[in-house]
Amino acid sequence: QSALTQPASVSGSPGQSITISCTGTSSDVGGYNYVSWFQQHPGKAPKLMIYEVSNRPSGVPDRFSGSKSGNTASLTISGLQAEDEADYFCSSYTSSSTVVFGGGTKLTVL
Amino acid sequence: EVQLVESGGGLVQPGGSLRLSCAASGFTFSSYWMHWVRQAPGKGLVWVSRINSDGSTTNYADSVKGRFTISRDNAKNTLYLQMNSLRAEDTAVYYCARGTGPGYWGQGTLVTVSA
Repeated sequence: QSALTQPASVSGSPGQSITISCTGTSSDVGGYNYVSWFQQHPGKAPKLMIYEVSNRPSGVPDRFSGSKSGNTASLTISGLQAEDEADYFCSSYTSSSTVVFGGGTKLTVL
Repeated sequence: EVQLVESGGGLVQPGGSLRLSCAASGFTFSSYWMHWVRQAPGKGLVWVSRINSDGSTTNYADSVKGRFTISRDNAKNTLYLQMNSLRAEDTAVYYCARGTGPGYWGQGTLVTVSA
C-alpha cells in the first residue's frame, strides 16, 4: 500500500488561510469517507483534527476544516496562528481493510 | 479521562522479539477498535495493525504481516503487539490509538532494533 501524497511543506502568515492536499486513489481516499487529519508538534503524540473527511472532534477550533473531491482530500486552516505550526498528516481507510497515512506536511507560520 | 499508556519498548537485536503493551483507562475498552501506529525517528506516521473490539478481526500492514501479531485482553483493558523477526527498519516509536480517527493516542514507546 503506497503512502498518500502530501506536499512536503506549506507556509503562511498569521491570519491567512492555507490548504494542505492529500492525494490517494479510488481504493482509499476516493473510495471511502474515512479520511482523517492529524496535527503533530515536535516530540508529541499526534492529535486528531478532522475525521470522516470533514468532522471536527470536540475541542478542535472551527478554523480547521476538511473536504474531499475525487481522490484528493484537503485540510484548510483559516486565520493561521503561531501555534498551528506543526506537522500535519492525513490518513485513509483502504479497500484492503487497512489504513494508510500520508507522508506529512510541515506547516510554517511566517 | 481517556488514557493510553504504552510500555515494553527497548533495544533488541535484529531477529529478536519484543512484546508491546498498551494499558487503557477512562473508557469502555471492549467497545473500541484499537490500532498500532509507528513513527521512525524524523519520519512520518505508518499504520501497523488494528483489531476489532472483541479481538476476532485483525488487519496488518504488508511490511509486518507474518512477523507481528496484535491482540487484546478486554478483561485487563490491555492491547498488545507481539513483534518477531525484528529488523532495523522496525526501529520507531510505537503508538497505540483508539477507534475512529483514531481519536486518542498514547505517548508512544521507542523500539530500537540494532546489533
